[in-house]
Amino acid sequence: TQLLEQSPQFLSIQEGENLTVYCNSSSVFSSLQWYRQEPGEGPVLLVTVVTGGEVKKLKRLTFQFGDARKDSSLHITAAQPGDTGLYLCAGRTTPDLSGTYKYIFGTGTRLKVLA
Amino acid sequence: ETGVTQTPRHLVMGMTNKKSLKCEQHLGHNAMYWYKQSAKKPLELMFVYSLEERVENNSVPSRFSPECPNSSHLFLHLHTLQPEDSALYLCASSQDRWTGGVNTEAFFGQGTRLTVV
Repeated sequence: TQLLEQSPQFLSIQEGENLTVYCNSSSVFSSLQWYRQEPGEGPVLLVTVVTGGEVKKLKRLTFQFGDARKDSSLHITAAQPGDTGLYLCAGRTTPDLSGTYKYIFGTGTRLKVLA
Repeated sequence: ETGVTQTPRHLVMGMTNKKSLKCEQHLGHNAMYWYKQSAKKPLELMFVYSLEERVENNSVPSRFSPECPNSSHLFLHLHTLQPEDSALYLCASSQDRWTGGVNTEAFFGQGTRLTVV
């Protein structure tokens, strides 16, 4: 069974601080996505990373895919209260014998940014 | 307008009740999904429909019964649920099933918060 462990589970920080969230697995993924879920809403896709070592930036958010495509990190610079939410990583598995892929969601990191 | 609409947003039901959750997508997508989101657990994929055909059923108890009458609508019929079934039920859609390209993006609805009493 492929698992994606996210750390930390919970994070409460002050506005303006930096933070990093990790998504780790012992399995290789063909791609990895990060979603943010705000209270009372469904998850919304932030980014997809595909190549080992790939780095993508989205304003104050920096996403990195590990060289071996088993892990990923999300770094937020100068966090703002609007960044508050549940951050989920989702790994796209390598295909099974029928050529089917699946997306496995991580355990989630709940971030709260205090004004 | 998120593109994926779920109703109702909140539902409280007794263990002997029968109720249905509804999901509607206006994105022209071919695949739709039901997920269960419980506290302290990863999102659990329940059912996958592709072109109105159920293509995946991840060992979900028979008290959950999905229905996909057309590519825009997805239902989850509930009967004789247990308190541990209380959770946020999320519907999602994507252009194609997970067998699609690496950039397959899932669009989620806002979810139905279900409480079984």
